[in-house]
Amino acid sequence: GAGVSQSPSNKVTEKGKDVELRCDPISGHTALYWYRQSLGQGLEFLIYFQGNSAPDKSGLPSDRFSAERTGGSVSTLTIQRTQQEDSAVYLCASSFSGQYGYTFGSGTRLTVV
Amino acid sequence: GQQVMQIPQYQHVQEGEDFTTYCNSSTTLSNIQWYKQRPGGHPVFLIQLVKSGEVKKQKRLTFQFGEAKKNSSLHITATQTTDVGTYFCAPVGFQKLVFGTGTRLLVSP
Repeated sequence: GAGVSQSPSNKVTEKGKDVELRCDPISGHTALYWYRQSLGQGLEFLIYFQGNSAPDKSGLPSDRFSAERTGGSVSTLTIQRTQQEDSAVYLCASSFSGQYGYTFGSGTRLTVV
Repeated sequence: GQQVMQIPQYQHVQEGEDFTTYCNSSTTLSNIQWYKQRPGGHPVFLIQLVKSGEVKKQKRLTFQFGEAKKNSSLHITATQTTDVGTYFCAPVGFQKLVFGTGTRLLVSP
């Protein structure tokens, strides 16, 4: 597609449930990031995929968070046993090779009630 | 790890005034990118700086990379209400893309 697509755009879930967030990067982009942004705050790095290299998972806040990228394209971020502090906007960004500007998706607003 | 601080955190100007945000790193940077995030929106890529001392302009926006490649600045001349948003710097290199703390700009007409 022309841009980075994220789904769903909004997700309300009950505490303790698992959620899966999806990111469709721009075709051909080898670099993909997931960030988390709480209201009025900066962008918190979560995970970075670059081509076929092992992902940099150093930003994942706990073992409840995991992410994968299948076939070097679509990525899913999974949060298990959601907590209220997981409520935030989750942003995905992709870039050609990682040495160029990143294109962000519109994000998934996650609310844990 | 790499740390990037931006100052100021927040600035409120009258339309027509100039605005500058500074990005300071604890380590030498390879490249640096700048992004703008409008209220309620997602970050949008503005520019990438690569060379020591580099200066690039986009209409009323001037971006500069320090000689030591440890700092960068974004200057907006004669702000307009459309400049409202948060401006983030983001170092690029062989490490992950880490965003600065951001400077929130409010412009009053």
